[in-house]
Amino acid sequence: QVQLQQWGAGLLKPSETLSLTCAVYGGPFTNYYWTWIRQPPGKGLEWIGEITHSGRTNYNPSLKSRVTISVDTSKSQFSLKLSSVTAADTAVYYCARESVIWDEGFDKWGQGTTVTVSS
Amino acid sequence: EIVLTQSPGTLSLSPGERATLSCRASQSVDSNYVAWYQQKPGQAPGLLIHGASSRATGIPDRFSGSGSGTDFTLTISRLEPEDFAVYYCQQSGSSPKTFGQGTKVEIK
Repeated sequence: QVQLQQWGAGLLKPSETLSLTCAVYGGPFTNYYWTWIRQPPGKGLEWIGEITHSGRTNYNPSLKSRVTISVDTSKSQFSLKLSSVTAADTAVYYCARESVIWDEGFDKWGQGTTVTVSS
Repeated sequence: EIVLTQSPGTLSLSPGERATLSCRASQSVDSNYVAWYQQKPGQAPGLLIHGASSRATGIPDRFSGSGSGTDFTLTISRLEPEDFAVYYCQQSGSSPKTFGQGTKVEIK
């Protein structure tokens, strides 16, 4: 049973860098887009970006200047860094996977990490 | 960017009734890359439908998806108590990948 388990700091001050990591257990790391998605309180879902096992990235243009997604294939982990955070970055952040080969949507999700940006 | 507009915003129905949720795209989307998700309070979204009409593993057959081009629909044939939740459509055919704003299905 594939599981995505994520962790990272939940309380940040404005201008700090958000850092989250997601580990993949019980399944392959190749042939997937490893993805970060966020959800502000009471709002909808926003795709942040993705990375493949080979390190190819694709970011949402709205966040591209502040986002870095990286991968550690030796640990089956991928990470998100979002710099210069503001209150607008307060959200639940999810990691998820999407097959590169099959059109199957985001079929596995992490449990979510609540990140609050406050001075 | 492809904008997905879901309607209605809220659907008030009783258990046993049929729910029809709409998702309209601002430009044509390859139906292979349209998915629907269900989200309950405090939980991560869960995949219901992919490829516009294929049920994900373990999803009961009261859930069905249809559509092509710019218009997609999620239908719940007979609402069960556990189906009252928020539903999102999503497209991966064009970057950035985008979600609709959600439809809340609430108990009438």
